[in-house]
Amino acid sequence: KNQVEQSPQSLIILEGKNCTLQCNYTVSPFSNLRWYKQDTGRGPVSLTIMTFSENTKSNGRYTATLDADTKQSSLHITASQLSDSASYICVVSARAAGNKLTFGGGTRVLVKP
Amino acid sequence: ETGVTQTPRHLVMGMTNKKSLKCEQHLGHNAMYWYKQSAKKPLELMFVYNFKEQTENNSVPSRFSPECPNSSHLFLHLHTLQPEDSALYLCASSQSQGFTSDEQYFGPGTRLTVT
Repeated sequence: KNQVEQSPQSLIILEGKNCTLQCNYTVSPFSNLRWYKQDTGRGPVSLTIMTFSENTKSNGRYTATLDADTKQSSLHITASQLSDSASYICVVSARAAGNKLTFGGGTRVLVKP
Repeated sequence: ETGVTQTPRHLVMGMTNKKSLKCEQHLGHNAMYWYKQSAKKPLELMFVYNFKEQTENNSVPSRFSPECPNSSHLFLHLHTLQPEDSALYLCASSQSQGFTSDEQYFGPGTRLTVT
């Protein structure tokens, strides 16, 4: 069964500090992995997308890594800002008809001043 | 904004009511999706439409009835809901359903409360 597990479930960090979120998946056959940011009461917005051959991808202060061998990904937030407070969702796509996505449960990040 | 709008943003309804959620995308996409997001649970895919044809019904109870009159509009008709149906309902669209590289763009969601 395709699954995506994220850790931690939630974390609190001080403004200006860095943090790393983890994502482990068992989706097969793997196509790509996305990280989404979801602000409270809003829909998810894509931050990065990585395919099998990509190890790292950056979007401003967000850097995602992918290890396809161990089926792990991480999202690193550098110099956090109050606006980074949100849920971060790891989404893995299977290389099969239908563009079927498997969603992780998300990590809720709270940045405090 | 992502180009996907949803109305209403908030809805409170009784278990005997009938209501509809509306989604509209302005991106020229051909695939549209309904998701349910309950507290502390991953997003659950409900329905998929590709070129106006329903291609996926993820074992959704019949009290949820989707409608896709054209590629730009998607509705979710609700009737005789249960309190456990309270959730954030998200609409998404993508260029088409067939390609895994197609990104799904999400609307802001409708927060539904069933009393």
